[in-house]
Amino acid sequence: EAGVTQSPTHLIKTRGQQATLRCSPISGHTSVYWYQQALGLGLQFLLWYDEGEERNRGNFPPRFSGRQFPNYSSELNVNALELEDSALYLCASSLEYVGPTTDTQYFGPGTRLTVL
Amino acid sequence: AQSVTQPDIHITVSEGASLELRCNYSYGATPYLFWYVQSPGQGLQLLLKYFSGDTLVQGIKGFEAEFKRSQSSFNLRKPSVHWSDAAEYFCAVGPSSNTGKLIFGQGTTLQVKP
Repeated sequence: EAGVTQSPTHLIKTRGQQATLRCSPISGHTSVYWYQQALGLGLQFLLWYDEGEERNRGNFPPRFSGRQFPNYSSELNVNALELEDSALYLCASSLEYVGPTTDTQYFGPGTRLTVL
Repeated sequence: AQSVTQPDIHITVSEGASLELRCNYSYGATPYLFWYVQSPGQGLQLLLKYFSGDTLVQGIKGFEAEFKRSQSSFNLRKPSVHWSDAAEYFCAVGPSSNTGKLIFGQGTTLQVKP
């Protein structure tokens, strides 16, 4: 069974540009989560999508946004890139949230975003 | 506030030696606890999880963890470490109801000496 996939593997942008990161969940999973792993800041929760709706977002500015498509894949957009946005962006997926036993999040390999 | 603390930032053990990585949590309700491992440049791989029941949980790659409610701990153990276990290990708690958010510790980097 294929795991969570993310593209691209690496992305290099300059300050002020926009970045688009993509994620495909495990087949049968309807929830997608985004996390940022920046040097020295650890793993920070960004966004949660389920059934096409944004369910929760972390403490990030509005220039971090995303969406979930009808096939449950997801896109993370980062506008007006800043140097401190350089990080590994991890996507995870889980089964539909109906209780703790379905909450296990499985992670993809990540997209390394570098902002110059 | 919910939080996870991994007191050891870096641990070095000899190959074949036993390993224990510490994790302490602060969580208002019954915690759901996870250990993930991250190899350099890679994503997170789930090692094991605890939701309820038996407090000793078995995971992949020979790892186990014990939930101790009285100590708010969920320490990860392995009886004999292999060189391929060198990686960063993250303890996480959650997700809390209706947030979807896992709260991670800062991670422990494991180095294995030959």
